[in-house]
Amino acid sequence: GENVEQHPSTLSVQEGDSAVIKCTYSDSASNYFPWYKQELGKGPQLIIDIRSNVGEKKDQRIAVTLNKTAKHFSLHITETQPEDSAVYFCAASYNQGGKLIFGQGTELSVKP
Amino acid sequence: EAGVAQSPRYKIIEKRQSVAFWCNPISGHATLYWYQQILGQGPKLLIQFQNNGVVDDSQLPKDRFSAERLKGVDSTLKIQPAKLEDSAVYLCASSLTSGGNEQFFGPGTRLTVL
Repeated sequence: GENVEQHPSTLSVQEGDSAVIKCTYSDSASNYFPWYKQELGKGPQLIIDIRSNVGEKKDQRIAVTLNKTAKHFSLHITETQPEDSAVYFCAASYNQGGKLIFGQGTELSVKP
Repeated sequence: EAGVAQSPRYKIIEKRQSVAFWCNPISGHATLYWYQQILGQGPKLLIQFQNNGVVDDSQLPKDRFSAERLKGVDSTLKIQPAKLEDSAVYLCASSLTSGGNEQFFGPGTRLTVL
């Protein structure tokens, strides 16, 4: 069935270092891959997304890469800051009405 | 632009009681979603509306959960009777249309069932 696996579940980095979170999806028909940041007590907030017709997208310190053949996509955060500390979720849309399948989440901690 | 509004923010009930959650999506958004997020997990879709029609309710436990969006705007999600395993955050999201458009999430309602 539809499934998204996300790794690692926790990630601790020093301020200024890079952080990478990886996801794999099961359905090759997926064509939309958003990444959400969730802070404590708040709803998920979209930080970047990518569609299946491109391999990479960048927005300032955040980038996402997509490998359709391997069914992998990754989030890259450079020059991390303490305010980047949050739980990050990847998701995949099977585009049958926009339903999102979420990964299990990665708790990122950026130490000053 | 106002975001997705949800109420209440917190609710504590005993098992077998009933509870209802309310959601007001972003103005003009035709698609509305209810997700359940159990602690330590990603959100799981319960039901999706397109205007006032149900698009997907395959993961909704229909013996105890119900949802409606009568006028194609606000929506309510009800649980009756609640079980301990229903303890979770219930998130409402909306998007302009379905099919890959950005989903905007509300702050959620944290439900604790004792």
